[in-house]
Amino acid sequence: DSGVTQTPKHLITATGQRVTLRCSPRSGDLSVYWYQQSLDQGLQFLIHYYNGEERAKGNILERFSAQQFPDLHSELNLSSLELGDSALYFCASNPYTGSSYNEQFFGPGTRLTVL
Amino acid sequence: AQSVTQPDIHITVSEGASLELRCNYSYGATPYLFWYVQSPGQGLQLLLKYFSGDTLVQGIKGFEAEFKRSQSSFNLRKPSVHWSDAAEYFCAVASSNDYKLSFGAGTTVTVRA
Repeated sequence: DSGVTQTPKHLITATGQRVTLRCSPRSGDLSVYWYQQSLDQGLQFLIHYYNGEERAKGNILERFSAQQFPDLHSELNLSSLELGDSALYFCASNPYTGSSYNEQFFGPGTRLTVL
Repeated sequence: AQSVTQPDIHITVSEGASLELRCNYSYGATPYLFWYVQSPGQGLQLLLKYFSGDTLVQGIKGFEAEFKRSQSSFNLRKPSVHWSDAAEYFCAVASSNDYKLSFGAGTTVTVRA
């Protein structure tokens, strides 16, 4: 158990819908990262938040957005869903001091199926 | 931008035999390198990491990896595999700018009895 929690574990929805994925980082970690794992794209970095502020963006679609709240949990919002958005979405956290690197600890993931 | 190549998509190994998974990275500065393992239906577990110092790093579950700057490689090894090592293995590199992870495509390991 990494200490990172993600809800829900599974999500099935229809095209055009909007969903919210939730992540709670390890206790004390200020950084949250979101990744998407799909069969055709592999594991891809989406976005990084540190203490409520966006720090880096990857190949995140405009239909996707994220935020980190004062209690440090994060939500990834996916809208106007398409079949190709079906994937496993991972959240990871680490302390991120800004001056030295710390490994990321991954949650169990949310499997999104778009029908 | 950094990138990672894992040349082997799938490896089959007999239980008790040795295992080596290849990883080549592309990054301008000194990389932060990682190996993660993903069992079916599970999340990613960190096996080991290289930040600096000794180029041979030890990890969990009996795995080790060697950083070779001249070859831009970070290969993962295990002397004797167990059936429970069947999983997908990902090599990753982190940027010193924004610390995001870039993953390879993964290598699936099958262990036969």
